[in-house]
Amino acid sequence: NAGVTQTPKFQVLKTGQSMTLQCAQDMNHNSMYWYRQDPGMGLRLIYYSASEGTTDKGEVPNGYNVSRLNKREFSLRLESAAPSQTSVYFCASSEALIRRYTFGSGTRLTVV
Amino acid sequence: GENVEQHPSTLSVQEGDSAVIKCTYSDSASNYFPWYKQELGKRPQLIIDIRSNVGEKKDQRIAVTLNKTAKHFSLHITETQPEDSAVYFCAARRDDKIIFGKGTRLHILP
Repeated sequence: NAGVTQTPKFQVLKTGQSMTLQCAQDMNHNSMYWYRQDPGMGLRLIYYSASEGTTDKGEVPNGYNVSRLNKREFSLRLESAAPSQTSVYFCASSEALIRRYTFGSGTRLTVV
Repeated sequence: GENVEQHPSTLSVQEGDSAVIKCTYSDSASNYFPWYKQELGKRPQLIIDIRSNVGEKKDQRIAVTLNKTAKHFSLHITETQPEDSAVYFCAARRDDKIIFGKGTRLHILP
């Protein structure tokens, strides 16, 4: 039982490059989330998916897109990376009613 | 939307003393308030949570209190130990999403 798995763990991009962060959970959770964490800013919600087939914007969605591929997988795409997107990205999932998050181990992204 | 304020941003306490972290939230419809602990380089981990129909919850050395009228909630850690050193985040949930505070870095001094 792996919980929430994120790939890659580390990535360096050049400004303007694109990439997709992958997230998969094996707990049969309905809801999945993408957060970014920056020093002194806490965890800020980028996008979330309350259930398979739905996605919604969070606090800081600009510059990102998401896909809820199926119940297990929720990916985050940066179409044209910018230095301001340098951050640690966390994926999380939760049961529909209880909403206790399980976080992945994070992806440290640097855009140069 | 929901806004969660957390204080202090940094807290140092002597080992064995108590630590208190306070949060306020803006949306009166928020109904679930979790607390997460994050050690350096690790993922956030849930340590305790409380629902809006409960005023207080305790789990060993950790307790959370909620004042719905004032829209305040607090984390209390008693008999602090070195392993309590970490960043702590409060959060509030309304509907499908959880909004986090900016975190409190807790240092336990020997």
